[in-house]
Amino acid sequence: AQSVTQPDIHITVSEGASLELRCNYSYGATPYLFWYVQSPGQGLQLLLKYFSGDTLVQGIKGFEAEFKRSQSSFNLRKPSVHWSDAAEYFCAVGLSGNTPLVFGKGTRLSVIA
Amino acid sequence: DAGVIQSPRHEVTEMGQEVTLRCKPISGHNSLFWYRQTMMRGLELLIYFNNNVPIDDSGMPEDRFSAKMPNASFSTLKIQPSEPRDSAVYFCASSLTGAKGNGYTFGSGTRLTVV
Repeated sequence: AQSVTQPDIHITVSEGASLELRCNYSYGATPYLFWYVQSPGQGLQLLLKYFSGDTLVQGIKGFEAEFKRSQSSFNLRKPSVHWSDAAEYFCAVGLSGNTPLVFGKGTRLSVIA
Repeated sequence: DAGVIQSPRHEVTEMGQEVTLRCKPISGHNSLFWYRQTMMRGLELLIYFNNNVPIDDSGMPEDRFSAKMPNASFSTLKIQPSEPRDSAVYFCASSLTGAKGNGYTFGSGTRLTVV
Protein backbone atom coordinates (compact mmCIF):
# COMPACT_ATOMS: atom_id res chain seq x y z
CA ALA A 1 0.00 0.00 0.00
CA GLN A 2 1.18 3.47 -0.73
CA SER A 3 2.33 5.69 2.11
CA VAL A 4 3.53 9.23 2.60
CA THR A 5 6.11 10.34 5.15
CA GLN A 6 6.59 13.89 6.29
CA PRO A 7 9.54 13.60 8.66
CA ASP A 8 9.19 17.01 10.26
CA ILE A 9 6.24 17.46 12.59
CA HIS A 10 6.97 21.10 13.32
CA ILE A 11 9.30 23.63 11.71
CA THR A 12 9.98 27.19 12.79
CA VAL A 13 11.54 29.68 10.40
CA SER A 14 12.17 33.39 10.50
CA GLU A 15 10.20 35.66 8.24
CA GLY A 16 12.14 36.18 5.03
CA ALA A 17 14.11 32.96 5.39
CA SER A 18 13.90 30.13 2.92
CA LEU A 19 11.80 27.05 3.57
CA GLU A 20 11.92 23.41 2.58
CA LEU A 21 9.35 20.86 3.75
CA ARG A 22 10.17 17.25 3.12
CA CYS A 23 7.94 14.57 1.71
CA ASN A 24 8.78 10.97 0.82
CA TYR A 25 6.40 8.47 -0.63
CA SER A 26 6.28 4.74 -1.05
CA TYR A 27 4.56 3.52 -4.16
CA GLY A 28 5.02 0.97 -6.91
CA ALA A 29 4.76 3.52 -9.69
CA THR A 30 5.03 7.26 -10.00
CA PRO A 31 1.87 8.56 -8.41
CA TYR A 32 0.24 11.92 -8.72
CA LEU A 33 1.73 14.16 -6.04
CA PHE A 34 0.14 17.06 -4.22
CA TRP A 35 0.82 19.63 -1.55
CA TYR A 36 -2.04 21.15 0.41
CA VAL A 37 -2.05 23.88 3.03
CA GLN A 38 -4.48 24.15 5.93
CA SER A 39 -4.85 27.26 8.05
CA PRO A 40 -6.35 26.84 11.53
CA GLY A 41 -10.03 26.04 11.35
CA GLN A 42 -10.01 25.96 7.57
CA GLY A 43 -10.18 23.36 4.84
CA LEU A 44 -7.35 22.14 2.64
CA GLN A 45 -6.18 24.38 -0.17
CA LEU A 46 -4.23 22.96 -3.07
CA LEU A 47 -0.78 24.56 -3.41
CA LEU A 48 0.55 22.57 -6.35
CA LYS A 49 0.50 19.19 -8.03
CA TYR A 50 2.70 16.96 -10.16
CA PHE A 51 1.47 14.47 -12.70
CA SER A 52 4.25 14.18 -15.26
CA GLY A 53 6.72 16.23 -17.26
CA ASP A 54 8.88 18.94 -15.75
CA THR A 55 9.93 17.77 -12.30
CA LEU A 56 9.95 21.29 -10.89
CA VAL A 57 6.40 22.54 -10.45
CA GLN A 58 5.27 25.99 -9.52
CA GLY A 59 2.28 26.60 -7.30
CA ILE A 60 0.35 29.39 -5.70
CA LYS A 61 1.68 31.81 -3.08
CA GLY A 62 5.24 31.51 -4.40
CA PHE A 63 5.67 27.83 -3.55
CA GLU A 64 7.41 25.27 -5.71
CA ALA A 65 8.15 21.58 -5.39
CA GLU A 66 10.59 19.24 -7.03
CA PHE A 67 9.89 15.61 -7.84
CA LYS A 68 12.92 13.37 -7.49
CA ARG A 69 12.15 9.87 -8.66
CA SER A 70 15.43 8.38 -7.41
CA GLN A 71 14.68 9.60 -3.90
CA SER A 72 10.91 9.11 -4.00
CA SER A 73 10.63 12.65 -2.76
CA PHE A 74 8.50 15.67 -3.48
CA ASN A 75 9.84 18.47 -1.30
CA LEU A 76 8.11 21.82 -1.04
CA ARG A 77 10.14 25.02 -1.12
CA LYS A 78 9.72 28.74 -0.83
CA PRO A 79 12.59 31.20 -1.13
CA SER A 80 11.25 33.77 1.32
CA VAL A 81 8.64 32.96 3.94
CA HIS A 82 5.94 35.42 4.98
CA TRP A 83 4.20 35.44 8.33
CA SER A 84 0.96 34.50 6.58
CA ASP A 85 2.53 31.18 5.52
CA ALA A 86 2.19 29.86 9.06
CA ALA A 87 -0.10 26.85 8.69
CA GLU A 88 -0.16 23.06 8.42
CA TYR A 89 1.19 21.57 5.21
CA PHE A 90 0.18 18.17 3.87
CA CYS A 91 1.81 16.09 1.17
CA ALA A 92 -0.46 13.59 -0.59
CA VAL A 93 -0.24 10.95 -3.28
CA GLY A 94 -2.87 9.50 -5.57
CA LEU A 95 -3.21 7.19 -8.54
CA SER A 96 -5.70 9.03 -10.67
CA GLY A 97 -8.64 11.35 -10.40
CA ASN A 98 -10.98 8.64 -9.15
CA THR A 99 -8.95 7.02 -6.39
CA PRO A 100 -8.41 8.47 -2.91
CA LEU A 101 -5.47 10.55 -1.89
CA VAL A 102 -3.20 9.23 0.82
CA PHE A 103 -1.95 11.96 3.10
CA GLY A 104 1.13 12.42 5.21
CA LYS A 105 0.74 13.41 8.85
CA GLY A 106 1.47 17.02 8.06
CA THR A 107 4.14 19.57 9.00
CA ARG A 108 3.20 22.55 11.09
CA LEU A 109 5.03 25.69 10.05
CA SER A 110 5.57 28.53 12.49
CA VAL A 111 6.99 31.85 11.33
CA ILE A 112 8.78 34.17 13.72
CA ALA A 113 9.73 37.80 13.26
CA ASP B 1 -17.94 27.65 -9.22
CA ALA B 2 -18.87 27.52 -5.54
CA GLY B 3 -16.51 24.66 -4.80
CA VAL B 4 -17.36 21.71 -2.58
CA ILE B 5 -20.03 22.74 -0.10
CA GLN B 6 -20.37 21.07 3.27
CA SER B 7 -22.99 21.63 5.92
CA PRO B 8 -23.18 22.29 8.73
CA ARG B 9 -19.83 23.95 9.45
CA HIS B 10 -20.11 23.13 13.11
CA GLU B 11 -22.22 20.55 14.92
CA VAL B 12 -22.44 19.96 18.63
CA THR B 13 -24.55 17.02 19.69
CA GLU B 14 -25.09 14.81 22.68
CA MET B 15 -23.86 11.27 22.83
CA GLY B 16 -26.39 8.86 21.40
CA GLN B 17 -27.91 11.32 18.97
CA GLU B 18 -27.96 10.89 15.22
CA VAL B 19 -25.73 13.21 13.20
CA THR B 20 -25.98 13.83 9.47
CA LEU B 21 -23.26 15.62 7.55
CA ARG B 22 -23.92 16.84 4.05
CA CYS B 23 -21.79 17.45 0.99
CA LYS B 24 -22.42 18.96 -2.42
CA PRO B 25 -19.54 18.18 -4.81
CA ILE B 26 -18.40 20.38 -7.66
CA SER B 27 -20.76 20.10 -10.59
CA GLY B 28 -19.44 17.61 -13.13
CA HIS B 29 -17.10 15.83 -10.73
CA ASN B 30 -17.77 12.11 -10.61
CA SER B 31 -15.76 11.01 -7.57
CA LEU B 32 -16.51 11.92 -3.98
CA PHE B 33 -14.45 11.22 -0.88
CA TRP B 34 -15.19 11.50 2.83
CA TYR B 35 -12.23 12.03 5.16
CA ARG B 36 -11.97 12.44 8.91
CA GLN B 37 -9.26 14.53 10.54
CA THR B 38 -8.12 14.12 14.14
CA MET B 39 -4.99 15.14 15.96
CA MET B 40 -4.09 11.55 16.71
CA ARG B 41 -4.73 9.93 13.34
CA GLY B 42 -4.44 12.78 10.85
CA LEU B 43 -6.51 12.60 7.67
CA GLU B 44 -8.19 9.25 7.21
CA LEU B 45 -10.29 8.15 4.27
CA LEU B 46 -13.68 6.90 5.38
CA ILE B 47 -15.39 6.06 2.10
CA TYR B 48 -15.41 7.08 -1.54
CA PHE B 49 -17.82 6.97 -4.43
CA ASN B 50 -17.32 6.84 -8.19
CA ASN B 51 -20.34 7.80 -10.27
CA ASN B 52 -22.49 7.67 -7.12
CA VAL B 53 -21.47 4.07 -6.36
CA PRO B 54 -19.59 3.29 -3.13
CA ILE B 55 -16.24 1.79 -4.05
CA ASP B 56 -14.41 1.36 -0.78
CA ASP B 57 -15.90 1.79 2.67
CA SER B 58 -13.19 -0.08 4.56
CA GLY B 59 -12.28 3.11 6.37
CA MET B 60 -15.68 3.47 7.98
CA PRO B 61 -14.91 2.82 11.64
CA GLU B 62 -18.05 0.99 12.67
CA ASP B 63 -21.57 0.12 11.67
CA ARG B 64 -22.63 3.32 13.35
CA PHE B 65 -21.29 5.13 10.30
CA SER B 66 -23.08 5.10 6.97
CA ALA B 67 -22.80 7.15 3.79
CA LYS B 68 -25.01 7.60 0.78
CA MET B 69 -24.82 9.34 -2.53
CA PRO B 70 -28.32 9.34 -4.02
CA ASN B 71 -27.30 11.50 -6.97
CA ALA B 72 -24.30 13.22 -8.49
CA SER B 73 -24.83 16.42 -6.56
CA PHE B 74 -25.35 15.25 -3.00
CA SER B 75 -23.88 12.94 -0.38
CA THR B 76 -24.49 12.35 3.30
CA LEU B 77 -22.46 10.83 6.09
CA LYS B 78 -24.53 9.66 9.02
CA ILE B 79 -23.45 8.63 12.50
CA GLN B 80 -26.03 6.84 14.61
CA PRO B 81 -25.62 6.74 17.55
CA SER B 82 -22.85 9.27 17.96
CA GLU B 83 -20.12 8.89 20.57
CA PRO B 84 -17.57 11.35 22.00
CA ARG B 85 -14.74 9.61 20.12
CA ASP B 86 -16.44 10.61 16.86
CA SER B 87 -15.50 14.21 17.56
CA ALA B 88 -13.38 15.33 14.61
CA VAL B 89 -13.40 17.44 11.49
CA TYR B 90 -15.05 15.67 8.57
CA PHE B 91 -14.05 16.70 5.07
CA CYS B 92 -15.66 15.97 1.78
CA ALA B 93 -13.69 16.18 -1.47
CA SER B 94 -14.57 15.71 -5.11
CA SER B 95 -12.62 15.07 -8.28
CA LEU B 96 -13.06 14.28 -11.95
CA THR B 97 -11.74 11.02 -13.35
CA GLY B 98 -8.74 11.55 -15.57
CA ALA B 99 -8.73 15.28 -14.96
CA LYS B 100 -5.06 15.86 -14.29
CA GLY B 101 -5.59 19.54 -14.22
CA ASN B 102 -8.26 19.68 -11.58
CA GLY B 103 -6.92 17.54 -8.83
CA TYR B 104 -9.04 17.07 -5.77
CA THR B 105 -11.06 19.89 -4.24
CA PHE B 106 -11.92 19.86 -0.56
CA GLY B 107 -14.80 21.43 1.26
CA SER B 108 -14.33 23.58 4.34
CA GLY B 109 -15.21 20.68 6.61
CA THR B 110 -17.70 20.01 9.38
CA ARG B 111 -16.36 20.24 12.92
CA LEU B 112 -18.28 17.69 14.96
CA THR B 113 -18.28 17.74 18.74
CA VAL B 114 -20.06 14.97 20.60
CA VAL B 115 -20.54 15.66 24.30
